[in-house]
Amino acid sequence: QQQVKQSPQSLIVQKGGISIINCAYENTAFDYFPWYQQFPGKGPALLIAIRPDVSEKKEGRFTISFNKSAKQFSLHIMDSQPGDSATYFCAASRRIQGAQKLVFGQGTRLTINP
Amino acid sequence: NAGVTQTPKFQVLKTGQSMTLQCAQDMNHEYMSWYRQDPGMGLRLIHYSVGAGITDQGEVPNGYNVSRSTTEDFPLRLLSAAPSQTSVYFCASSYSPPGGNYGYTFGSGTRLTVV
Repeated sequence: QQQVKQSPQSLIVQKGGISIINCAYENTAFDYFPWYQQFPGKGPALLIAIRPDVSEKKEGRFTISFNKSAKQFSLHIMDSQPGDSATYFCAASRRIQGAQKLVFGQGTRLTINP
Repeated sequence: NAGVTQTPKFQVLKTGQSMTLQCAQDMNHEYMSWYRQDPGMGLRLIHYSVGAGITDQGEVPNGYNVSRSTTEDFPLRLLSAAPSQTSVYFCASSYSPPGGNYGYTFGSGTRLTVV
């Protein structure tokens, strides 16, 4: 059972365009929603994160939009650059007995064409 | 540089062999976890630990063992390797104070092939 569903699996965007990746979750107990960026041969790295009491968070060209009632959140990359080409994972976590349990979406392979 | 160190980076095992994937962090994080990454399935939690001496199972624990004798180290043991355990394994650590959630720091991964 996939607790966090991510789409699309792959995405091709022209340089300067907007990249949009969507995620949906089921468990309303999740209270932290991070996005991770992974380059080939590397481990995932935290990109940006949001809590459910906020509808939007922006850091540079990266923005998370969060819709609590729809249980959906998305990553927008403005002015996409070839260096943004990577695999992106959304995730959701909640604390259980002091442990932060993180579950990931399936990942989106993003390619930015120059 | 401070971070999460995983060894080895690559490993080929024969079916039935056992081995230990090493993970060490120098950030004094109390929370550590092991994930496996398979195409189209994201990262799935194998085992995790909330501190020295405390471990618990994740989504896919079968065939794996862990222990946490120190804050720094969190080794993952494959008891009897099977081809289904061919994957890329990531260790991660996090500072996780009560009432808060923080991002994980991941190692660079171990690519394991079981033949």
